[in-house]
Amino acid sequence: DSGVTQTPKHLITATGQRVTLRCSPRSGDLSVYWYQQSLDQGLQFLIQYYNGEERAKGNILERFSAQQFPDLHSELNLSSLELGDSALYFCASSVGQLGSYGYTFGSGTRLTVV
Amino acid sequence: LAKTTQPISMDSYEGQEVNITCSHNNIATNDYITWYQQFPSQGPRFIIQGYKTKVTNEVASLFIPADRKSSTLSLPRVSLSDTAVYYCLVGDNNQGGKLIFGQGTELSVKP
Repeated sequence: DSGVTQTPKHLITATGQRVTLRCSPRSGDLSVYWYQQSLDQGLQFLIQYYNGEERAKGNILERFSAQQFPDLHSELNLSSLELGDSALYFCASSVGQLGSYGYTFGSGTRLTVV
Repeated sequence: LAKTTQPISMDSYEGQEVNITCSHNNIATNDYITWYQQFPSQGPRFIIQGYKTKVTNEVASLFIPADRKSSTLSLPRVSLSDTAVYYCLVGDNNQGGKLIFGQGTELSVKP
């Protein structure tokens, strides 16, 4: 157990639907990062939050949004889902906003869009 | 962020030492070198991080030459459970903290 908790572990939904992925960071970590991993794209950085504020943005689609709550858990919202959104979504956390002590990843949420 | 180049795949046998080299010719002064390990359907796991010379922990060693244009991850006496993808990342810890992953090296350990 890495200390980063992601729910749900698996999600199957239809095209056009909206889903929410949840991440609880490791105790004491203030930064949360979201990554998408698909077979053809590898690990893609989506977005980072630090202590409730957005800190960095990567290849995140406009259909996707995220937020970090006061208790530091984070949610990634995916809407108008397409078949190509099927992937593993990982959340990671680190102590500071700069990730200088290494990231701790969760076990991921496998999203299947049918 | 400095671009990294590493072999796509490597094969080894149990008990051997495995060295995975990563090239990062454009590494900047403030950049650190970090290695992660990823098993199928699991999140990447931090292995080791270094800036220069040699770093060793209970899992691996990281060798960084003086010019820092490459680095070598050394795994001593690998076992079947070391079969995974290994990622080399180079970045400035001041660049917003995001880690950019490349293709990684798929290590296959055989009996």
